Amino acid sequence: GAVVSQHPSRVICKSGTSVKIECRSLDFQATTMFWYRQFPKKSLMLMATSNEGSKATYEQGVEKDKFLINHASLTLSTLTVTSAHPEDSSFYICSARADSPNNSPLHFGNGTRLTVT
Amino acid sequence: GNSVTQMEGPVTLSEEAFLTINCTYTATGYPSLFWYVQYPGEGLQLLLKATKADDKGSNKGFEATYRKETTSFHLEKGSVQVSDSAVYFCALSGQGAQKLVFGQGTRLTINP
Repeated sequence: GAVVSQHPSRVICKSGTSVKIECRSLDFQATTMFWYRQFPKKSLMLMATSNEGSKATYEQGVEKDKFLINHASLTLSTLTVTSAHPEDSSFYICSARADSPNNSPLHFGNGTRLTVT
Repeated sequence: GNSVTQMEGPVTLSEEAFLTINCTYTATGYPSLFWYVQYPGEGLQLLLKATKADDKGSNKGFEATYRKETTSFHLEKGSVQVSDSAVYFCALSGQGAQKLVFGQGTRLTINP
């Protein structure tokens, strides 16, 4: 079945450095992918909608210069957390839906746990 | 805007007990409703869905009925197993929209 691969699954970085998270659709093309952030014991909050070949659409309150999204191909979107701080520590999850057929289900990656020290 | 409210957890039950996790929503139009499950260390998996009023979604013994009159989509299972221990998320997508709005999640623990 359709699979979304997210890498890395865990990353620890020092404050001030940048971290890139990859989200790949392994057996389908996805013009649109979604990036979520999950706080401890909280729900998933949509951060942005990643659009292949164009700029991402960010949700209100999400800093686009801090969370850079690049959707360079129909199977890959990346989220870069720039100049990371401890408050950016969180669980980041991507999701994608096949471009066809219509009403294809949304598939989620296994998430990336980011710890900023 | 659209929103989803779930019963707060954690919920702890014994094996073979009856499960209900309440979910209510606020949305304009006719949203689609979903239940997702997140097992430890994994991403979210779609458990079941319903796309119109009175539809019943079902999977792996879980059921939920789309009730427009009460704006609810409660998750039920008649006899839970230890392997059902996970976090359950209720979610909706607005009419014609792709993105999901999630509830806060309910952690379920089933003891043998």
